[in-house]
Amino acid sequence: QQQVRQSSQSLTVWEGETAILNCSYENSAFDYFPWYQQFPGEGPALLIAIRSVSDKKEDGRFTIFFNKREKNLSLHIKDSQPGDSATYFCAASAGTNAYKVIFGKGTHLHVLP
Amino acid sequence: DAGVTQTPRHEVAEKGQTIILKCEPVSGHNDLFWYRQTKIQGLELLSYFRSKSLMEDGGAFKDRFKAEMLNSSFSTLKIQPTEPKDSAVYLCASSLYGGSYEQYFGPGTRLTVL
Repeated sequence: QQQVRQSSQSLTVWEGETAILNCSYENSAFDYFPWYQQFPGEGPALLIAIRSVSDKKEDGRFTIFFNKREKNLSLHIKDSQPGDSATYFCAASAGTNAYKVIFGKGTHLHVLP
Repeated sequence: DAGVTQTPRHEVAEKGQTIILKCEPVSGHNDLFWYRQTKIQGLELLSYFRSKSLMEDGGAFKDRFKAEMLNSSFSTLKIQPTEPKDSAVYLCASSLYGGSYEQYFGPGTRLTVL
């Protein structure tokens, strides 16, 4: 049973478009939601994160929209660039002392020039 | 500051061999994680250490996988004996304290078991 689910394994957009990556979760106790970005041959790296007390977090071209009632969130990448082509993992954890981060299976984003 | 270091980057083993993967976490981090990454299963937690104490030993991975943290700056993951299904990328990550802190990942070790 997947606790964090990413709706698409793969997403293709054109350069300049907004890419939208969707994620849902099951555990109501989750209160911290990081998104990690992974390029081939590298480990994942934190891109942006949101806590459940907020419904939006923005960092440059990257924005997380969070809906606590519906238990879903999305990562919007505005003005997508070919260099954004990577795998994006939605993740979740519960509580400040919780160690375990549950990762979704990832969405592979292709940005075509 | 140096990030997480993993060696070797690639490992090829025959079925039945013992292999040891190494990890050096970010200096000052209290938590260390070992993950296995495959296309089908995604990121699976193998082991978790807090301040060198083993807090989780990976459930289904227990029988052939053993992680150790000899000191705060070095950890190993031993797989014994290896099986072809163990072919995957093994990632080590560290964080300051807990899941609500950023996990810093190493580049991974790609293991191929023939």
